[in-house]
Amino acid sequence: GAGVSQSPSNKVTEKGKDVELRCDPISGHTALYWYRQSLGQGLEFLIYFQGNSAPDKSGLPSDRFSAERTGGSVSTLTIQRTQQEDSAVYLCASSLNAGGTSEAFFGQGTRLTVV
Amino acid sequence: AQTVTQSQPEMSVQEAETVTLSCTYDTSESDYYLFWYKQPPSRQMILVIRQEAYKQQNATENRFSVNFQKAAKSFSLKISDSQLGDAAMYFCAYRKPSNDYKLSFGAGTTVTVRA
Repeated sequence: GAGVSQSPSNKVTEKGKDVELRCDPISGHTALYWYRQSLGQGLEFLIYFQGNSAPDKSGLPSDRFSAERTGGSVSTLTIQRTQQEDSAVYLCASSLNAGGTSEAFFGQGTRLTVV
Repeated sequence: AQTVTQSQPEMSVQEAETVTLSCTYDTSESDYYLFWYKQPPSRQMILVIRQEAYKQQNATENRFSVNFQKAAKSFSLKISDSQLGDAAMYFCAYRKPSNDYKLSFGAGTTVTVRA
């Protein structure tokens, strides 16, 4: 596609439910990132995928969070047993490769509201 | 860990005037990369300008320019001839060199442009 696509755009869920957020990166981009943006805050790194390498999960806040990237393309971020503090905008980005001045292209994010 | 600080939560500028956004960072690295991202209400992060620390010359992109003071660990963004479309949240970000891929973001500055 022309850009990074994320779905859904907005998601309201009840506390305790599981949610899945989807990211479709730019074709050919080997690096994919997930960030979380809480209200009034900067972006917080969650997880990084690069090609077939093991992902860097060091930013995941708890074991309720997990992510996978199938076939080196689409990624899904799953939050189990959602809590109110999980409410945030979840942004996905991809880049041609990692590091240096390689530009990260961001999607429009999924705004998650846990009620 | 790298810390990026944006001390101005909000800035207002008259159309056609100039506004400067401040950013300071903390690092023990000698080589790294700095970025300014724009986030309009659409939520999509857009790269505005980037700077490589080993380059002494300040980066410019049309109406956007930076003042990079490496010794002071300061990286300010100047928006000249401000336009209504410049209204957005602006984030300063840092990344270590080579294969490091994580971006560390500041908390952001909301820019309002007055007609």
